[in-house]
Amino acid sequence: EPEVTQTPSHQVTQMGQEVILRCVPISNHLYFYWYRQILGQKVEFLVSFYNNEISEKSEIFDDQFSVERPDGSNFTLKIRSTKLEDSAMYFCASSSGTVAPGELFFGEGSRLTVL
Amino acid sequence: RKEVEQDPGPFNVPEGATVAFNCTYSNSASQSFFWYRQDCRKEPKLLMSVYSSGNEDGRFTAQLNRASQYISLLIRDSKLSDSATYLCVVNGMDSSYKLIFGSGTRLLVRP
Repeated sequence: EPEVTQTPSHQVTQMGQEVILRCVPISNHLYFYWYRQILGQKVEFLVSFYNNEISEKSEIFDDQFSVERPDGSNFTLKIRSTKLEDSAMYFCASSSGTVAPGELFFGEGSRLTVL
Repeated sequence: RKEVEQDPGPFNVPEGATVAFNCTYSNSASQSFFWYRQDCRKEPKLLMSVYSSGNEDGRFTAQLNRASQYISLLIRDSKLSDSATYLCVVNGMDSSYKLIFGSGTRLLVRP
């Protein structure tokens, strides 16, 4: 069964460092997303990406965040200068877009710990 | 008012029980509704979509009341493996493809 894969599964970094989280969405999917979940809190939308550009972003997704699809398979989230409050689980998701919006397939997540 | 609101629980029920979860959403223009399931420290997984006419998938039944902006999930004959957090999910106001997650309702099924 096709799946969304994410790397790394866990990253520990110092405050102020840059972090890149990587995702390989399902190959024939067209819509890509990043969500995050702070421990004990709800899943929060960060950004959606379609046709090689951001289609929507949340207030959380400020200038410190960026996304890129550098090739035909990878989808990355970069945090330029990490803060303590960026510590969370980051989930990548993809959708074919041909069925109802919302049938997202999530990766297993990348846990980011900022010290 | 929160965009998607759920009772956090936990609901602690014996195996075989029937349990119901409720959810309200604030945006009357939302068109897509879902229940996702999330196991502890795992990714959310789609449980079922919710249609206006209501829909059933085995032991799970979902209902939508657009007038009241209310969604429900009924689980019959609970299994130990149903223990998880159930997330009510609605598409966002400005984009059909942006999903808003509720905080989730935790279910514990005991032997």
